[in-house]
Amino acid sequence: DTAVSQTPKYLVTQMGNDKSIKCEQNLGHDTMYWYKQDSKKFLKIMFSYNNKELIINETVPNRFSPKSPDKAHLNLHINSLELGDSAVYFCASARLASHEQFFGPGTRLTVL
Amino acid sequence: AQRVTQPEKLLSVFKGAPVELKCNYSYSGSPELFWYVQYSRQRLQLLLRHISRESIKGFTADLNKGETSFHLKKPFAQEEDSAMYYCALMTTDSWGKLQFGAGTQVVVTP
Repeated sequence: DTAVSQTPKYLVTQMGNDKSIKCEQNLGHDTMYWYKQDSKKFLKIMFSYNNKELIINETVPNRFSPKSPDKAHLNLHINSLELGDSAVYFCASARLASHEQFFGPGTRLTVL
Repeated sequence: AQRVTQPEKLLSVFKGAPVELKCNYSYSGSPELFWYVQYSRQRLQLLLRHISRESIKGFTADLNKGETSFHLKKPFAQEEDSAMYYCALMTTDSWGKLQFGAGTQVVVTP
């Protein structure tokens, strides 16, 4: 029933590890996004995909690689995790024309 | 470059008092502006957008292009309004990219 879902909800890992966060939406939207919310609650866009094509790629380290296997999924893979990657990562989706974005519950990543 | 400024990090008000959250933006074109809200332990959700000009949960926001502002107001705050509020800007060429302000934490005390 959930519109935008993310797994896992919490992720605790060591520096240097590689991890993935998954996002799925069942709203039939064409566009999906990844946002990062830092410890000061500041939200910043990272990536966006429209119909499986990358359309927004902000200044994000190459260690972050989004992958969209189909329109309903947008995963985020992070290599060589660093302490500064600790944050809450939000996935969102939208029907491009409507502009309202629907957010997932977030994944809290803690890098030790 | 586009920018969204929310000058208040924290706003503490009493129940029943008016509340106003300030938002200023910088963008030379025609912006689309939104207010998103994040209640405790809940996901971020759209509160209102300037295009629809509607009132949601008693909140209103008017786009003032002269002052480049989109302040959020409610005449009588309720305890359930306690949340984090984000002002966001979408530009016409941004493919739906939302640029968020830093957010304002609202605490309504009884």
